[in-house]
Amino acid sequence: GAVVSQHPSRVICKSGTSVKIECRSLDFQATTMFWYRQFPKQSLMLMATSNEGSKATYEQGVEKDKFLINHASLTLSTLTVTSAHPEDSSFYICSGEGGTGTEAFFGQGTRLTVV
Amino acid sequence: LAKTTQPISMDSYEGQEVNITCSHNNIATNDYITWYQQFPSQGPRFIIQGYKTKVTNEVASLFIPADRKSSTLSLPRVSLSDTAVYYCLVGGTGNMLTFGGGTRLMVKP
Repeated sequence: GAVVSQHPSRVICKSGTSVKIECRSLDFQATTMFWYRQFPKQSLMLMATSNEGSKATYEQGVEKDKFLINHASLTLSTLTVTSAHPEDSSFYICSGEGGTGTEAFFGQGTRLTVV
Repeated sequence: LAKTTQPISMDSYEGQEVNITCSHNNIATNDYITWYQQFPSQGPRFIIQGYKTKVTNEVASLFIPADRKSSTLSLPRVSLSDTAVYYCLVGGTGNMLTFGGGTRLMVKP
């Protein structure tokens, strides 16, 4: 299947700082990318959907000024967690859609810990 | 968006066949059914996708009845490494993927 690479896999940051997570589709052009957040023992919760070259669509309850999403190219989307707080600590996962099939492919996830 | 319902957990033993059923009563005409596997601290991994009838690949089979209101993922001869959470998702291209609770499969020796 297609490959989505997410970086970094783990990051620890101080409260109040910003963290950027990158999501790259390595062998296909991702016309749509999705960002999810997953807390321990829970399912994935969709945060936002982004289409290349346009503004992201955020799910209800997700602060767009806190979770900045950029999808500047068909192979790269970034999620920036601004002014991070301990409650933002979570597992963040991206997925890309746009390969030859109809399925989406997921990155390996980023474990964010805010101290 | 079609909502999915799966058993919360299942137990099995090595070498057995495991069938996980998912119900999706309000599936739309253009929706596909896709199953993903997730290990702890990893992103979901695509297992199989189907639209109707039966689909088989090297790791699993997917059975979809004619009314498409449910689907069954079949894992032949599971091993300990198949212990994971399995998600059934319903949607089409460009639709956001909404995850249900998933099924936590525990394979015992």
